[in-house]
Amino acid sequence: QQQVKQSPQSLIVQKGGISIINCAYENTAFDYFPWYQQFPGKGPALLIAIRPDVSEKKEGRFTISFNKSAKQFSLHIMDSQPGDSATYFCAAGRKDQGGKLIFGQGTELSVKP
Amino acid sequence: DAGVTQSPTHLIKTRGQHVTLRCSPISGHKSVSWYQQVLGQGPQFIFQYYEKEERGRGNFPDRFSARQFPNYSSELNVNALLLGDSALYLCASSLNGGRSGNTIYFGEGSWLTVV
Repeated sequence: QQQVKQSPQSLIVQKGGISIINCAYENTAFDYFPWYQQFPGKGPALLIAIRPDVSEKKEGRFTISFNKSAKQFSLHIMDSQPGDSATYFCAAGRKDQGGKLIFGQGTELSVKP
Repeated sequence: DAGVTQSPTHLIKTRGQHVTLRCSPISGHKSVSWYQQVLGQGPQFIFQYYEKEERGRGNFPDRFSARQFPNYSSELNVNALLLGDSALYLCASSLNGGRSGNTIYFGEGSWLTVV
């Protein structure tokens, strides 16, 4: 019940295309869903986050879509650029568990020029 | 402002040895969490500390311990190192333990290799 399942494991997109990464969770107590971007040799950097009271959040080229009934959320990267090539992690947390996040397995994104 | 800072950045230890990793949270943040990230996997939660008290513990053996100091910095200690402890150890900070925001920021990590 604590798992967060992420797909696909790897993704290749042409420059200018849309990258879509999906995550699913089981625990309905989760109330915070962030996405992190991680470059090789670096720590995860917070990209964008959403709470279950909204169905979509957009920040620049990055959009989170959230489907509470299906217990799924996804990251869309519009106009993907080679500089977006990194590993992306979805995560889920609970307000009553503070700094504890459950992470997905990660998606390695490669944007081809 | 400085982000989450961790030290050392890289270290190599021998099986059976002990290691101490250090973390300074973002200025003003009172909560520190520790995560282990094995190559090719997502980070796994080890501990959370808030106001010097342990607030959560993940599924890790008792060889792992941590503490938080009055200035909110933190140490992660691992005893009797095993080869499987080789990983990137990440420290994360949040303003108040996440109770009203859950915005969690990670440091660059400490790469531990056990040989």
